Amino acid sequence: DGGITQSPKYLFRKEGQNVTLSCEQNLNHDAMYWYRQDPGQGLRLIYYSQIVNDFQKGDIAEGYSVSREKKESFPLTVTSAQKNPTAFYLCASSFRSTEAFFGQGTRLTVV
Amino acid sequence: DQQVKQNSPSLSVQEGRISILNCDYTNSMFDYFLWYKKYPAEGPTFLISISSIKDKNEDGRFTVFLNKSAKHLSLHIVPSQPGDSAVYFCAASGENSGGSNYKLTFGKGTLLTVNP
Repeated sequence: DGGITQSPKYLFRKEGQNVTLSCEQNLNHDAMYWYRQDPGQGLRLIYYSQIVNDFQKGDIAEGYSVSREKKESFPLTVTSAQKNPTAFYLCASSFRSTEAFFGQGTRLTVV
Repeated sequence: DQQVKQNSPSLSVQEGRISILNCDYTNSMFDYFLWYKKYPAEGPTFLISISSIKDKNEDGRFTVFLNKSAKHLSLHIVPSQPGDSAVYFCAASGENSGGSNYKLTFGKGTLLTVNP
């Protein structure tokens, strides 16, 4: 089945540690995105990538990093510089800028 | 500065009645609008979209209306069903603006509750 797979579903991180969230898609979509959802805040864009080896900062990129070495993969690293990393992270992909399809999300908790 | 606003955090309707969810935007470069439905702890699912060259798009029980002069769009669900209970997000992009704006900008969402 075609779709977007995020892993893991739940992730716990100690303060000061970097952690990487995985996102893979087999939809042959050009664009991929990372959003963060906090209660009452809707979805806020962290990073997005239109093509391989290229990506742009979204509205809240500080403390995060990404790579796009393959069309199918867009991993997100939450670094120790991110002051409030506990959130629900959503990856999405789209063909150009038409409707984006989302993964099931990763719940990151800092302990 | 919020470019996409959903001013009603929640809405409650009776089963069988119409649900109307509203969304306002400020960026005149937006020309493609989408509605997503989201259940807790899941990713949003795409519902319906509309391009700025149209003022209405219909798909089954879901209809989206766009008023460009007012920078306002709305999602109508009729008849509403208990399974429609979820958070609904409005989103906008500038797909047809001539640039390469791939960004989807989301509102904060409206929690719809459909009571049996």
